[in-house]
Amino acid sequence: IAGITQAPTSQILAAGRRMTLRCTQDMRHNAMYWYRQDLGLGLRLIHYSNTAGTTGKGEVPDGYSVSRANTDDFPLTLASAVPSQTSVYFCASSASIEYTQYFGPGTRLTVL
Amino acid sequence: SQELEQSPQSLIVQEGKNLTINCTSSKTLYGLYWYKQKYGEGLIFLMMLQKGGEEKSHEKITAKLDEKKQQSSLHITASQPSHAGIYLCGAEGGSQGNLIFGKGTKLSVKP
Repeated sequence: IAGITQAPTSQILAAGRRMTLRCTQDMRHNAMYWYRQDLGLGLRLIHYSNTAGTTGKGEVPDGYSVSRANTDDFPLTLASAVPSQTSVYFCASSASIEYTQYFGPGTRLTVL
Repeated sequence: SQELEQSPQSLIVQEGKNLTINCTSSKTLYGLYWYKQKYGEGLIFLMMLQKGGEEKSHEKITAKLDEKKQQSSLHITASQPSHAGIYLCGAEGGSQGNLIFGKGTKLSVKP
């Protein structure tokens, strides 16, 4: 059982380009989340999904969009990347929103 | 909004020594999670505490939630190099029912 996988592991991106970060879980968890981790700011929630077909905005949603077409996948899209989106991005999932969250290995994104 | 403050921010200990990391909340904690993160990797779930006075242990790591449910401590006994990493506390307190996190404590263990 892989748990949560994220792709790519790392990426360098030119400003203005579109980028999709992929996240897949095989635990049949209902809830999924995207966080960004920045030095001095800790982990901040970008978007979340309580169940397939629904999504919601977290603490820092601007410049990001998500979709949840099925239970397993929760891609995060940067429509037009900016340097302030340079960060490490973590996907997480939980059985439901009040249960323990399990994290993926992260994607390190650099926007130049 | 709820905030979690961790102390110390960083810690360097000699192998074999005991250490304690603290997590203090601005509001009552209804679920407190401890995670460990190694550099360049994701967060690994360690333990979850819910009840005031609750204590849980896993190998040489013990976590406690105080009676008032506003502070948790993580204690490592006889530290080893494998304990090195960043320890984060998380709590149910986000506006969407999500977890909020402390900024982490970086632990280094010298052989």
